[in-house]
Amino acid sequence: DIVMTQSPLSLPVNPGEPASISCRSSQSLLHSNGNNYLDWYLQKPGQSPQLLINLGSTRAPGVPDRFSGSGSGTDFTLKISRVEAEDVGVYYCMEALQTYTFGQGTKLEIK
Amino acid sequence: EVQLVESGGGLVQTGGSLRLSCAASDFTFSNYAMHWVRQGPTKGLEYVSTVSANGGATNYASSVKGRFTISRDNSKDMLYLQMGSLRPEDTALYYCVKAHTRGTYLYDAFDLWGQGTMVTVSS
Repeated sequence: DIVMTQSPLSLPVNPGEPASISCRSSQSLLHSNGNNYLDWYLQKPGQSPQLLINLGSTRAPGVPDRFSGSGSGTDFTLKISRVEAEDVGVYYCMEALQTYTFGQGTKLEIK
Repeated sequence: EVQLVESGGGLVQTGGSLRLSCAASDFTFSNYAMHWVRQGPTKGLEYVSTVSANGGATNYASSVKGRFTISRDNSKDMLYLQMGSLRPEDTALYYCVKAHTRGTYLYDAFDLWGQGTMVTVSS
């Protein structure tokens, strides 16, 4: 099974500052069709998870453009250009290539 | 409003059974694969099962294979999860989730999540 490893697990950030979360996969998520099957989700406090980014870098409808995803193969990054209070929550990466394995989650909090 | 509403959770003893239901509304249910994902107490997210749009194909996490059965009724816009031989480690909030891409069974994101229904298995 694919193992997904996120870092850091805790991320305190000042409002307006950038933030970055790393996600590494134990196997390449690059399919022969050229797609990277890596998604990012945000679970805000008390809410269900919501899709932020799929295929490594495609923002879901309605997701602010301060969120961006990058990477290929086994190394991926979620970046928030300027953190806002509403971005607080736990961020998960997930591989969609094999068995939909999630990372451990990264808790973003406002300093 | 596009939404998914789960029901059927509760307290059950080890070895018992439970059937979860999920009612979908305001989208063409029969066009999308559907999934169950669970989240244990103070834990992260764990994939459980997938059923294709027409119900003809299913997939299960190894942790539930042989004990859980996913199904759907497209005439009623309903998704189900029959859970058997329940174990304490199955205790979790179970989410009903819609696939992102119409007609796609695998390699897809999880687009819309319900609020979840809680299953507690006592030892």
